[in-house]
Amino acid sequence: SQQGEEDPQALSIQEGENATMNCSYKTSINNLQWYRQNSGRGLVHLILIRSNEREKHSGRLRVTLDTSKKSSSLLITASRAADTASYFCATAGGFLQGAQKLVFGQGTRLTINP
Amino acid sequence: EAQVTQNPRYLITVTGKKLTVTCSQNMNHEYMSWYRQDPGLGLRQIYYSMNVEVTDKGDVPEGYKVSRKEKRNFPLILESPSPNQTSLYFCASRTGSYQFFGPGTRLTVL
Repeated sequence: SQQGEEDPQALSIQEGENATMNCSYKTSINNLQWYRQNSGRGLVHLILIRSNEREKHSGRLRVTLDTSKKSSSLLITASRAADTASYFCATAGGFLQGAQKLVFGQGTRLTINP
Repeated sequence: EAQVTQNPRYLITVTGKKLTVTCSQNMNHEYMSWYRQDPGLGLRQIYYSMNVEVTDKGDVPEGYKVSRKEKRNFPLILESPSPNQTSLYFCASRTGSYQFFGPGTRLTVL
């Protein structure tokens, strides 16, 4: 399985601090995506990084990808209370492994304390 | 508004009573899929569809059926629900690499 595994499972920080979440996976990938889920609701796509990219930014989000270590990290800078949510990484395999399928990790529960 | 809709949002039923959860998208996406989300297990794919009349099993297809007669609709069918199918279900549609999720259906099977 190419399932992503997030670390830590839960993270609690003060508003204004930076939050870093990590994701590891097992097989080669075409791209890796991060999603956010507010409690009990649908997932929202945040950012996608392709296997030939090492870093990507979107607003307060920064994603890195290290294919040699099969790992990715999501950094949220200057956190806000509204960032409280669960964050999931999802990997999409190469063509021969089913490029259309996304495999999700178990998620990191992020709590931003005011 | 571009969206994926699911109905019902909440459902409590009893073992063995057939049910259907509907899913519809208005973005003309070819690819659609169903996931279930359980504590500690993340999201697991049940079935997916690459296009009309093309469906395939995901990671946990047992006990579920799907159909794709029209591009916009992708219903999930539980012929004989069991308590281990109590879960939060998400439908999703996709363009390229970007996946759009529905709001979820919380199913309880007694």
